Amino acid sequence: GQQVMQIPQYQHVQEGEDFTTYCNSSTTLSNIQWYKQRPGGHPVFLIQLVKSGEVKKQKRLTFQFGEAKKNSSLHITATQTTDVGTYFCAGRFEGTYKYIFGTGTRLKVLA
Amino acid sequence: EPEVTQTPSHQVTQMGQEVILRCVPISNHLYFYWYRQILGQKVEFLVSFYNNEISEKSEIFDDQFSVERPDGSNFTLKIRSTKLEDSAMYFCASSQEGLGNTGELFFGEGSRLTVL
Repeated sequence: GQQVMQIPQYQHVQEGEDFTTYCNSSTTLSNIQWYKQRPGGHPVFLIQLVKSGEVKKQKRLTFQFGEAKKNSSLHITATQTTDVGTYFCAGRFEGTYKYIFGTGTRLKVLA
Repeated sequence: EPEVTQTPSHQVTQMGQEVILRCVPISNHLYFYWYRQILGQKVEFLVSFYNNEISEKSEIFDDQFSVERPDGSNFTLKIRSTKLEDSAMYFCASSQEGLGNTGELFFGEGSRLTVL
């Protein structure tokens, strides 16, 4: 079936360290979105990537979409305590409109 | 800023009872979704709804579940004969696909369902 996996499942970093989460799909994606969910909150949209090899930046966050459109990554530079939460990728497969969420990476930032 | 609203925020029910979770999507959105998240786990797709009908559904969305848009604003999820494993946070989301839109999903704050 259509699955989207993420690694790592958990990551603890010291404030100021970098963080990366990786997202992998079983099949080619039409596009991919990234969401952040704070503890006790709901997923909040961060960005969408559509093109093969696309790279987008939002301040300290860098998002990449793989050439084969089967994987993606989110990199946070110099983490802050406000970055705490679970980061989910959500992929849309060709011919569908639904987004399948990845397994998520829970980030803890130690001050 | 427009937002998706969900009621109730928390519902406790006995196993075998029916529950209805309600959502008011953002007014100019055309695509509606229900997702669920069991505590600490991933966000699972249940169903998508467009043009007054189900467009896609997952294997989780069996005959126990139904969705409805009874009027121009509400979007409901009905769970018949609830089971213990239905305990989860249920998120409604809406989106506006099309030119100039990213198709981002706007999520409500969720309805926590506890089945005893």
